[in-house]
Amino acid sequence: GAVVSQHPSWVICKSGTSVKIECRSLDFQATTMFWYRQFPKQSLMLMATSNEGSKATYEQGVEKDKFLINHASLTLSTLTVTSAHPEDSSFYICSASWPGPLALFFGPGTRLTVL
Amino acid sequence: GQQVMQIPQYQHVQEGEDFTTYCNSSTTLSNIQWYKQRPGGHPVFLIQLVKSGEVKKQKRLTFQFGEAKKNSSLHITATQTTDVGTYFCAGPRGGSEKLVFGKGTKLTVNP
Repeated sequence: GAVVSQHPSWVICKSGTSVKIECRSLDFQATTMFWYRQFPKQSLMLMATSNEGSKATYEQGVEKDKFLINHASLTLSTLTVTSAHPEDSSFYICSASWPGPLALFFGPGTRLTVL
Repeated sequence: GQQVMQIPQYQHVQEGEDFTTYCNSSTTLSNIQWYKQRPGGHPVFLIQLVKSGEVKKQKRLTFQFGEAKKNSSLHITATQTTDVGTYFCAGPRGGSEKLVFGKGTKLTVNP
């Protein structure tokens, strides 16, 4: 099956700093990647859709200036949480669409803790 | 907006018992997908159902897609401790690639 990697797997930072999370599709090209956020014991909430070579589209209520997304190549999308605050602490998961029948392959996730 | 509801939220069973989780969409779906997330892990794609009334089996797991393509179920026969995790159903939002996830059913299995 398709493999999606994510780095880092966990990060602890101070309030006010920015954190970059990378998502890579390792064995296929993904023109579209998705970024999700998952709070403890809750479901996945789509934050934004990352399109290679164009601007990301954000879900309602997600601040695009706070969550910067860059999809520079067909195998890499990055999410930068700018000026992170404790309420941004969460599990961030990226996914990539497998070509053909719509199915998502998820990265292992990044657990962000903002102190 | 489109909603995907899943019940039960939690299910605790003894090893060897059967388990079923139900998924219901507020809109007709072109397909429905199921994912499993182990504790501390990330969601892993299990299966996609496309046809009305479709039934698919993966060993002890049986997936069904309703005739109206608005509901689905996942049934596990004779649960094992390795089945522990949260099972999510998800359906596409409108005609887009974006998936709407149910809240998941967390399964715990007593050995």
